Amino acid sequence: EVQLQQSGPELVKPGASVKISCKTSGYTFTEYTMHWVKQSHGKSLEWIGGINPNNGGTSYNQKFKGKATLTVDKSSSTAYMELRSLTSEDSAVYYCARSYGYDEDFDYWGQGTTLTVSS
Amino acid sequence: DIQMTQSPSSLSASLGGKVTITCKASQDINKYIAWYQHKPGKGPRLLIHFTSTLQPGIPSRFSGSGSGRDYSFSISNLEPEDIATYYCLQYDNLYTFGGGTKLEIK
Repeated sequence: EVQLQQSGPELVKPGASVKISCKTSGYTFTEYTMHWVKQSHGKSLEWIGGINPNNGGTSYNQKFKGKATLTVDKSSSTAYMELRSLTSEDSAVYYCARSYGYDEDFDYWGQGTTLTVSS
Repeated sequence: DIQMTQSPSSLSASLGGKVTITCKASQDINKYIAWYQHKPGKGPRLLIHFTSTLQPGIPSRFSGSGSGRDYSFSISNLEPEDIATYYCLQYDNLYTFGGGTKLEIK
């Protein structure tokens, strides 16, 4: 069974950084691109970017360049997203989701990680 | 960037009824559109990809159609478990989601 298990909720102060994880199981990690998606409260979904776990190649939504950094650890089949210089605008639910390549839909998603940026 | 205009933003329908949601792309997306069901506290669930192909295990009550810039998604024989927010996603050129449609049962 394919599973994407995300790390728990985060409460961080403005200006800080946070690293969210997405641990996968049930499939070959390096065969699927991993993406990250943001959902601000009451709003729609935004694609942040994606990473090819096989070679570490990344593609970002221009809006999130400089804000998000995507990495993977192949040894543990885990994807990470680091968000820096956090503001209240970064408070949202963040999802990881996989696709079979950059030009395919997202077929499995994590359960979401809630990030709250507050002093 | 491709924009996706989804409508309506919310709708209410009766059990056993049918609803239709539309997404209009800002340019031709070559049928590269998927539809998702999203319930609170969970990740979105893929229902349909490439306009009309149902994911395994998704009942035939769900359907999709369209081409070019205009696409639609329908649910027939509405059941209580269909209460959710539905999103379209274009994946022809990077990725853009529609604004979402919140479905309620009358």
